[in-house]
Amino acid sequence: QVQLKESGPGLVKPSETLSLTCAVSGASINSSTWWSWVRQSPGQGLEWIGEIYHSGTTNYNWSLMSRLTLSIDKSKNLYSLNLRSVTAADTAIYYCATRDGYDHRDPFDVWGQGTVVTVSS
Amino acid sequence: YVLTQPPSLSVAPGKTARIPCGGNRIGSKVVNWYQQRPGQAPVMVISYDSDRPSGIPERFSGSNSGNTATLTISRVEAGDEADYYCQVWDNTNDHSTYVFGTGTRVTVL
Repeated sequence: QVQLKESGPGLVKPSETLSLTCAVSGASINSSTWWSWVRQSPGQGLEWIGEIYHSGTTNYNWSLMSRLTLSIDKSKNLYSLNLRSVTAADTAIYYCATRDGYDHRDPFDVWGQGTVVTVSS
Repeated sequence: YVLTQPPSLSVAPGKTARIPCGGNRIGSKVVNWYQQRPGQAPVMVISYDSDRPSGIPERFSGSNSGNTATLTISRVEAGDEADYYCQVWDNTNDHSTYVFGTGTRVTVL
């Protein structure tokens, strides 16, 4: 069974870069699926951030595209998120999530536990 | 692309909860539904409009037509109290994206 676990600093200063990793267990990062990030601001709904395929192909939320980079580390079976120039609006719970398949209509059927990130000086 | 859900819905135990998700021609898209209990990650409860994964009670069902998709919870139980989100993949413009609904908080009276 696929399991995902997020890790990273819980506190980031404004204007700095938020860096998170998602460790994948129970499956290979080379699987035919997309690996995603989703966030949830305090008391708010879910927002898709972006996704990456093992080939390195990425799809980004257009509203974050200019500040976002996703990468994949096959040797460690994990993928990562870097979000530059953060502001308080980036304070959220960040989830990694994946789907059992390549089709974009497939649901997010595996989620990490989430990691809380606060942007504050 | 915007998916609109009512912010809240209250239902008595044993009754039926119907959670609408409105979107322009959503019937032409595939809709997935998620349950999120307080302090927990979302859990998929319905995929491809009406498919229920293993482990999800038969009380959960979905439909999708026209401009509204609906998640129905029959014989509501206290444990169904949670936030529910619909979700689609929208590729109708240059910026293909996953879109989540605004979410509905279901309260069991």
